Amino acid sequence: AQSVTQPDIHITVSEGASLELRCNYSYGATPYLFWYVQSPGQGLQLLLKYFSGDTLVQGIKGFEAEFKRSQSSFNLRKPSVHWSDAAEYFCAVGAMEYGNKLVFGAGTILRVKS
Amino acid sequence: ETGVTQTPRHLVMGMTNKKSLKCEQHLGHNAMYWYKQSAKKPLELMFVYSLEERVENNSVPSRFSPECPNSSHLFLHLHTLQPEDSALYLCASSQDLGTGNLYGYTFGSGTRLTVV
Repeated sequence: AQSVTQPDIHITVSEGASLELRCNYSYGATPYLFWYVQSPGQGLQLLLKYFSGDTLVQGIKGFEAEFKRSQSSFNLRKPSVHWSDAAEYFCAVGAMEYGNKLVFGAGTILRVKS
Repeated sequence: ETGVTQTPRHLVMGMTNKKSLKCEQHLGHNAMYWYKQSAKKPLELMFVYSLEERVENNSVPSRFSPECPNSSHLFLHLHTLQPEDSALYLCASSQDLGTGNLYGYTFGSGTRLTVV
C-alpha cells in the first residue's frame, strides 16, 4: 500500500540551529511531493512542492526540500531556525494511483528552544 | 487568509444537538474536501466533492452529513455526535481532483469542535 512516513514525531532544535525533517514515501514512480506547516489552531499552509525538474526546491519562509529518488525521500531543511518556526509539519504525496487525492504523513512537531 | 474560509472557528455542542460547519472558497476551485484532525492521529480524509458531486466517502458515520450546494460552498451537518468526534475539522479545495495532486490543496483554518 502507498504510504508516507515521517519517522520523527517530535523534534527540538535550538534557535539559530539547522533543521532537517524527514519524509519517506512508498510508491513506484515519481509522485508529487509537498510539505505543509500547521501553526496551533490553524489550517495547513503549503511550504513547497515538487513534481519535476530540479530536485532541490525552495519554498516560503526560508525552507527547502530535496527529492532523492534512490532513497524515496523528500526531506525538509532550513539552515537557521527561528522561534516562529515552531509548528507541526506534514509531508504529503500525490499520485494518480492514490486516487487523485493527497496522502499525508502523521506529522512532525517542531519545538524551538531559545 | 488563505482563500478558504471556515465558520465557526470554534463550536461546542451537546450530543443531542444538530449543527453545521461551513466552508467557502472563491478561488474558482472545483474540488473540495473535508478532513478530520484528532490529537495524536494522522489527518483523516472524510469526504471528497468534485463539481458538487460526492466522489468519496471514507466510511464516515452517518451522523456526519456533507452537502455541496455549489462549487464555492461545502457544509458538514452534524447530529447525534459522540465525544470522540471532538476534533479539528479542516476544509480544503483544489482546482480539480487531478490537479490537487499536482498543485496541492488550499486549506481553511478549521473548526475546533468539542462534543460534550
